[in-house]
Amino acid sequence: DGGITQSPKYLFRKEGQNVTLSCEQNLNHDAMYWYRQDPGQGLRLIYYSQIVNDFQKGDIAEGYSVSREKKESFPLTVTSAQKNPTAFYLCASTIPGGAYGYTFGSGTRLTVV
Amino acid sequence: DQQVKQNSPSLSVQEGRISILNCDYTNSMFDYFLWYKKYPAEGPTFLISISSIKDKNEDGRFTVFLNKSAKHLSLHIVPSQPGDSAVYFCAASFAGNQFYFGTGTSLTVIP
Repeated sequence: DGGITQSPKYLFRKEGQNVTLSCEQNLNHDAMYWYRQDPGQGLRLIYYSQIVNDFQKGDIAEGYSVSREKKESFPLTVTSAQKNPTAFYLCASTIPGGAYGYTFGSGTRLTVV
Repeated sequence: DQQVKQNSPSLSVQEGRISILNCDYTNSMFDYFLWYKKYPAEGPTFLISISSIKDKNEDGRFTVFLNKSAKHLSLHIVPSQPGDSAVYFCAASFAGNQFYFGTGTSLTVIP
């Protein structure tokens, strides 16, 4: 079955550490996105990529980095520069002009301890 | 600046009654709108969509209405069921590219 897989589901990070969240899709979608969800804030766009080897900053890119070396993969690194990284992170993908919007992964809950 | 707004953070409805969730947007270029449903600790799932050439789209118990002049859309759920309890996000896009999301409305259907 086609879909998006995010791993791990839960992640704990010590302050000052970088962590990488995985996102893999087998839908043959060109565009991939990372969102962050905080209570009462909805979904905020961190980074997006519409094609391999190209990506753009979203609304809250500071403290995050991404890569898009393969069509199927769009990992997100939460760096130590991100001051408030505890959140629920969602990865999504779509075809350009996607008539059905995004397909989302099941999310990663990151907690700083 | 929030381009898509859901001004009601929560809504409670009795089972069997109608649930109406509202969404407002500011960008008149938006031409495609979706509603997503989200359970805790899960990714949102697509529920229903509407393009700007229509003013209504129906799928079973779910109907989305679009009022372009008011830049307003609404989701009606009739009849509401306890399993509908979730957070509902509206989203809007121009030409189906990047979607802008509202802040969500948490619906509770009371048995």
